[in-house]
Amino acid sequence: QVTLKESGPGILQPSQTLSLTCSFSGFSLSTSGMGVGWIRQPSGKGLEWLANIWWDDDKRYNPDLKSRLTISKDTSSNQIILKIASVDTADTATYYCAGTAPWFAYWGQGTLVTVSA
Amino acid sequence: DIVLTQSPASLVVSLGQRATISCRASQSVSTSNYGYMHWYQQKSGQPPKLLIKYTSNLESGVPARFSGSGSGTDFTLNINPVEEEDTATYYCQDSWEIPYTFGGGTKLEIK
Repeated sequence: QVTLKESGPGILQPSQTLSLTCSFSGFSLSTSGMGVGWIRQPSGKGLEWLANIWWDDDKRYNPDLKSRLTISKDTSSNQIILKIASVDTADTATYYCAGTAPWFAYWGQGTLVTVSA
Repeated sequence: DIVLTQSPASLVVSLGQRATISCRASQSVSTSNYGYMHWYQQKSGQPPKLLIKYTSNLESGVPARFSGSGSGTDFTLNINPVEEEDTATYYCQDSWEIPYTFGGGTKLEIK
């Protein structure tokens, strides 16, 4: 059974760096073809893909946010980390991790992140 | 970037009737063998759920009343017959290239 669970700070201030962790089980990110992505959704709005990381450590980013995003993996602990630098109020959203790309069959429940002064 | 335009934005369908949701891509997202379009259902307060991958391949456990079709730039999700539990917002997503993109969503209400 595949499960994913996001964790984050809940609230942070503008200009800070947001760090999100996705803890997963039921698959290994060292298996060929596997990938995990991050997708966000502001309240009442649509879905925006942010980044993906693959089993071979290939990393892909949304060009609109690329300069601010860093995705990494810790295969031994089954975790994916996404960092977003210089957040502002527009980054307020529910953040989901999902696998396995390029379609997302498995999703976490999401973690709400609020950016507020 | 590929832009996915869904229509309609909202839809009211009578119980037992057919719901049709369209997703148009700003460029072709298919080859002769595959359409790189996927469909999700999102109920209130829940994460999205994958319904269909690669245009028409029903995900395991998804009822057969859901079906997908299309090619090139035009793709369709059909639900027939609709049931009360199908009340949700539906999204298309392409995986033709990076960045992956999602349509704006179609909100389905059952009456």
